[in-house]
This record gives sequence, C-alpha cells and structure tokens, in this order.
Amino acid sequence: EAQVTQNPRYLITVTGKKLTVTCSQNMNHEYMSWYRQDPGLGLRQIYYSMNVEVTDKGDVPEGYKVSRKEKRNFPLILESPSPNQTSLYFCASMPGQDTYEQYFGPGTRLTVT
Amino acid sequence: GIQVEQSPPDLILQEGANSTLRCNFSDSVNNLQWFHQNPWGQLINLFYIPSGTKQNGRLSATTVATERYSLLYISSSQTTDSGVYFCAVEKTSYDKVIFGPGTSLSVIP
Repeated sequence: EAQVTQNPRYLITVTGKKLTVTCSQNMNHEYMSWYRQDPGLGLRQIYYSMNVEVTDKGDVPEGYKVSRKEKRNFPLILESPSPNQTSLYFCASMPGQDTYEQYFGPGTRLTVT
Repeated sequence: GIQVEQSPPDLILQEGANSTLRCNFSDSVNNLQWFHQNPWGQLINLFYIPSGTKQNGRLSATTVATERYSLLYISSSQTTDSGVYFCAVEKTSYDKVIFGPGTSLSVIP
C-alpha cells in the first residue's frame, strides 16, 4: 500500500532530551516535508527536501534539524526539545517531476514537559 | 510572503445541505491543493487544482488563478464531511507551502 508512515505516533518526553521522529514513504517521491499544527496557528512548514541531500527551511525551522540521506526517509530531529515544541507533527511527500500533490502521514503528537 | 485566507471560518450545516468554501491568496501561485482534516486528525487530499475545475463525487473545486481565489463546493453534505478544510498554496513548485487557517465544518443529522 502506498503510504507515508511516521513513528512514533505519540510521544511524551522531557525538556532537553534529544528525540527523532521518523518519516518514511514507499512511493519513490522526490519531495518530502515536515509540518507542525497548533491550535490557532494552523499548519506551518518546518523543513522541506526536494531530493536526497537537499533540504531547505520552511517558516518555523528554529529548534529542528532534518536530514535526507535516502530518498524514502526524512527524519525530524529535536536536539533539545522545549515545551513550545509540543505540537502535532505531520510528514508529507510529493512525487515531483511535474506532479505536485502532497500526501500526508498520520501525524505524531508530541508533548514536551 | 503569500497570505492565504479562508472563509467562512466556521460552518454548521444540516445534513443534505450544500456549501461553498472559499480560499483567497495574495499572490500568483503555481500549486494549490484542498485537504480535509477529519475529526481523527488525518489529512486527506481532496483536489490538486492550480487552475480550472475538477469534480469528485459530491465535491468539486474551481480555481480562478488570475483572480487569486479557489472555491470548494460540497453538495448533499453528510456527517462524514465534518472536519476542517484547508487550502494550501506554493508560489513556485518545490517551494515553501503555505496553508490557510481552515474552515471548520460541522454537519448535523
């Protein structure tokens, strides 16, 4: 089944403890992206990647890192999480090559205490 | 950057009613998509529609790129249509994606 998967789906952690949220797609998509969703602020893009080894900042990149070593994976790294990074996170992918529909993963609900 | 507005912010419909949701954007865009976020939080593609009109069952969408707006039509609404509807735009392909604030739809039996 063609899909975008994220793990974990739910995570409660403490301030300062490094964490990684994984994202994987099995559709050979070129473009991948991370978003966070917060009440009253909507969906905002954190980072995106147009291809392997190519990443760029979205609107809210502070406090996050990403890497794109393989086409299928695009992990989101929080080196030192803080409570203001408590949010619902979505990963998405898009085929590229003149096809621009984004497909979203199921979301990761992160709580930082 | 591009500003995206959606209206109305909230909408309550009786089952079977029709509705029109609007997305305005402040600059020319290459890509525009409509999504539905269901009550369980899942984001579902509805339409990729940078211009023109598309239909899928009870839903249809029209984008008038020259006038910088897009419309999503829901006909014969059902309770399963409840959730939040977002439009999202990109000025150029493979660029930042900007989401609108969404329209929250409740369909009551």
